[in-house]
Amino acid sequence: GEDVEQSLFLSVREGDSSVINCTYTDSSSTYLYWYKQEPGAGLQLLTYIFSNMDMKQDQRLTVLLNKKDKHLSLRIADTQTGDSAIYFCAESGASGGSYIPTFGRGTSLIVHP
Amino acid sequence: DAGVTQSPTHLIKTRGQQVTLRCSPKSGHDTVSWYQQALGQGPQFIFQYYEEEERQRGNFPDRFSGHQFPNYSSELNVNALLLGDSALYLCASSLGGPSYEQYFGPGTRLTVT
Repeated sequence: GEDVEQSLFLSVREGDSSVINCTYTDSSSTYLYWYKQEPGAGLQLLTYIFSNMDMKQDQRLTVLLNKKDKHLSLRIADTQTGDSAIYFCAESGASGGSYIPTFGRGTSLIVHP
Repeated sequence: DAGVTQSPTHLIKTRGQQVTLRCSPKSGHDTVSWYQQALGQGPQFIFQYYEEEERQRGNFPDRFSGHQFPNYSSELNVNALLLGDSALYLCASSLGGPSYEQYFGPGTRLTVT
């Protein structure tokens, strides 16, 4: 199976909260990331969390990590149409100074008025 | 503050041909990583260059090669192109070798016919 799994689509109404979920298999993952990709653009690092943390909040973004279940989520409060994009979950270890992320297939977030 | 730039934006090649893609890292960065993103997939790591040497490599054949110049810019070369090489090629830069904080460029869309 894939190392990082995420659902492919999520549709929400503008102003609602969005929750994008991700599961990973590598128990040695040290860093977990959320990237955003808008059409025709590269990846933008939205936020990351260290594996020894449970939660990280940054303005409208909240990341929750359940290390026992290897489950990561990204909550976007007050979702706007500008949040429509593909969101990638990724994980990396730090052994040997690698930091090379393994990405999921991405969740396409559609925000409708 | 210049971000990561890549050229060309789009490229169409024929099977068996060779292609060279270029990347200039974010101002002040000295490490460049290349990723391949097939349609509907997350990016996959190809290799990373630091101090003009290939430091890490993903699971890609020797047809994929690269180079880093003294000004930290980088090239990705792909020989004997296959239809399956059609993808978005992303360059990411960071500072001081491998890092969990990478900045991605907009990518080069390669189509092999």
